[in-house]
Amino acid sequence: KAGVTQTPRYLIKTRGQQVTLSCSPISGHRSVSWYQQTPGQGLQFLFEYFSETQRNKGNFPGRFSGRQFSNSRSEMNVSTLELGDSALYLCASSLEARPADTQYFGPGTRLTVL
Amino acid sequence: GQQVMQIPQYQHVQEGEDFTTYCNSSTTLSNIQWYKQRPGGHPVFLIQLVKSGEVKKQKRLTFQFGEAKKNSSLHITATQTTDVGTYFCAGSGGYQKVTFGTGTKLQVIP
Repeated sequence: KAGVTQTPRYLIKTRGQQVTLSCSPISGHRSVSWYQQTPGQGLQFLFEYFSETQRNKGNFPGRFSGRQFSNSRSEMNVSTLELGDSALYLCASSLEARPADTQYFGPGTRLTVL
Repeated sequence: GQQVMQIPQYQHVQEGEDFTTYCNSSTTLSNIQWYKQRPGGHPVFLIQLVKSGEVKKQKRLTFQFGEAKKNSSLHITATQTTDVGTYFCAGSGGYQKVTFGTGTKLQVIP
């Protein structure tokens, strides 16, 4: 089975711009979660989607949004980028949305905001 | 809300020495998972513990879930350079979303 794929892998934007990141889960997985990883903050949970519905949301401002499509693919959008948004954005897929489900991470998108 | 802390934050060991990272939750967990992230890579699932007092081994790695299900540990015997990376625990309580710990970054000096 193919693993979780994320596109693009690297992105450079300037402050004020917006960005859309894409995540394709493992075939058959219906849950997708997004995380922001920075050196100082570790893995910060952004949101979780299951069957096109947002089930959980982390403590991030409204500039961060996401959605999931009927094929389970997910996108996250960050509007009005700030320097502090520079990070590795990871998505993880799991079979269902049960807490005990193993999460399979993609390689991440490295976002740099200048 | 649920908080999961890990100590230490960083650990440097000489190759061949043992290493332990500890994970502590502010609430009782229904299960705990451990992940490893190699430098430049992404987190990869290692193991899941569910039962109180559970101990599981994977070669040189020993994972333990506390009796009160609020803490866990990962012990590596005789570290090797291939063990380098950041180790995360991730816990959830019932139907809550999984919360990742702060991570322990392991450096192994050859």
